[in-house]
Parts: sequence; C-alpha cells; structure tokens
Amino acid sequence: SAVISQKPSRDICQRGTSLTIQCQVDSQVTMMFWYRQQPGQSLTLIATANQGSEATYESGFVIDKFPISRPNLTFSTLTVSNMSPEDSSIYLCSGGGASGGLETYNEQFFGPGTRLTVL
Amino acid sequence: GQNIDQPTEMTATEGAIVQINCTYQTSGFNGLFWYQQHAGEAPTFLSYNVLDGLEEKGRFSSFLSRSKGYSYLLLKELQMKDSASYLCAVDSNSGYALNFGKGTSLLVTP
Repeated sequence: SAVISQKPSRDICQRGTSLTIQCQVDSQVTMMFWYRQQPGQSLTLIATANQGSEATYESGFVIDKFPISRPNLTFSTLTVSNMSPEDSSIYLCSGGGASGGLETYNEQFFGPGTRLTVL
Repeated sequence: GQNIDQPTEMTATEGAIVQINCTYQTSGFNGLFWYQQHAGEAPTFLSYNVLDGLEEKGRFSSFLSRSKGYSYLLLKELQMKDSASYLCAVDSNSGYALNFGKGTSLLVTP
C-alpha cells in the first residue's frame, strides 16, 4: 500500500488568513484527490488534483477559495483561502491508480488528515 | 448524481457477526468501496467490488448486487478493535474520485 503524509497535521488559524496543506505520496500515483470531513460527518470530495493542469472542482467548491497545485505524480497542495470558522474541518488527501506505484486503480489510500480550526 | 444510504449506528457483541448494509442510487460507477475509519484517523481501505457477488478477505467480506443497488459488509468474529465507522463509497465511470455515504458507526460490546 502507498504511504501518504500530510503537513501540517493540525493548525489553528485566524479568520481571513490562508493555510496551505501539503500532501506527499511515497510512490507515483495517477490520481490525487482532496476531501473535507466535518466533525461527525462523512467525507466530501473537494476536487481532483490534476498534474500539469487546473484541478477539477466539485459543485460548491471553487478555485479562488481552494486553489490546488499538483506539480508531479507524488505531491499536491491545497490552500484554504480567506478562512472563516465554517472552514474548520479535517482536510484529507488521497492517492490512487497505478503508475509504477500502487498495483491497481481500485485502491485509494488516504493521508492522516489535517485538522483545521479557524477562530 | 449518487445517493448512498447506510444505517447511522449499529451495536454488536464481541465474537458475533454483523452485516452493514449500503444502498445506492447512481447513474453509473466502476466499483463500490468499503473503508474503515477509527475516530481521529484516516479511512483505511477494506474492500472493492466491481462484479456482483461476494469478495472475502479474512474476517471481512463484501457483497455487491448492481441490479438491486445494494451492497453489504460482513464482519465475522467481531473484536473490540472493530469498533469504528464503516464508510460505503462508489467511484464513477468518468473518474476515480469517491462519493461516500455518511458512514455507519459500529460499537462492539463485550
């Protein structure tokens, strides 16, 4: 299985500031995704991080609020911009697909998450 | 769109068998996933069903019926450490991003 790490693991931020979360995979993966998980809730997909092109956002999420980068097959960042208390959540990245790394497209592996609190 | 339903909570006894159901309404998907998530931790992959039928992996098995829009996760010989949230998810025909149900919180009691 792939090992996915995220930095920071948690942060407390002031309203109006921005935070960039980093996601690193220990092997090349075709697909990388960003999810949000609010307390006691399930995971909601924010966007698909595409290498070399703009991310694909789900309904309700926009690039100005959640800019995403993916410079290569093992790394991605998610920025939460102009934060408000409603952005307090756990942000998780995942990787899946095979490109010399994972064995099949079927499995997606998740990072440990970044717990964000906005005051 | 995809509408995925699971029971919110279940309780079972250590050593017993429990079945967690998942029903879905979707226009199309490649496969159905089950993940386990302990409180404060990331989801961990349990199973993936593409074809109808039962997939067995040790104490855990997962079943899919596309015609009925139905899946279940079967946990045998329950252990206390199986207390967790179990998430049903489907990917889509156009990509591999996952759409999750709300999850089922399973409590295993002595």
